[in-house]
Amino acid sequence: SAVISQKPSRDICQRGTSLTIQCQVDSQVTMMFWYRQQPGQSLTLIATANQGSEATYESGFVIDKFPISRPNLTFSTLTVSNMSPEDSSIYLCSVSGLAYRTGELFFGEGSRLTVL
Amino acid sequence: TQLLEQSPQFLSIQEGENLTVYCNSSSVFSSLQWYRQEPGEGPVLLVTVVTGGEVKKLKRLTFQFGDARKDSSLHITAAQPGDTGLYLCAGVHAKLTFGTGTRLTIIP
Repeated sequence: SAVISQKPSRDICQRGTSLTIQCQVDSQVTMMFWYRQQPGQSLTLIATANQGSEATYESGFVIDKFPISRPNLTFSTLTVSNMSPEDSSIYLCSVSGLAYRTGELFFGEGSRLTVL
Repeated sequence: TQLLEQSPQFLSIQEGENLTVYCNSSSVFSSLQWYRQEPGEGPVLLVTVVTGGEVKKLKRLTFQFGDARKDSSLHITAAQPGDTGLYLCAGVHAKLTFGTGTRLTIIP
């Protein structure tokens, strides 16, 4: 298993601003992912954070809106840019202990974002 | 696009009752995972089922993978308030796809 810490745990932001969420893992992991969970809904994969290269984004998500960094095997950031109320969600960092994207996942506690 | 539909979407029952949650798809999965998410927390993996027809038990929770590996069920016996949470199935094919979720509330 892995222990995953996310910061901030929650924030209230103004429309048009940007927020960066940090994810720290207590061990080196190959696969790291960012998910969005809209109120009362399931999880949607935003992107796979790749160490040393650009993130791989899922359909409907773009780098300009959700820039991701992954400088090493234990840390990643997700920025939500130019926020609107529709971006109000829980953003979850997750890792797989296995070297493929379909492995069992461990999640952080999530960052609850409210955009006014 | 692979869709995993869970039913029911919401379930509220009394402590001590039994319940079943279903996870259905038209797609075949190589394996299927079940997660539980409590308020303010991230999802936590409960089990992975791999073989068609497989049954796994985790105390009062019984998980079954359909013979054709297109569906799964979660049965809870003698539900307790600690079982309250959002239950998510996740199918594994080329990638991991999460189901629509079942929000379970156990009333003491």
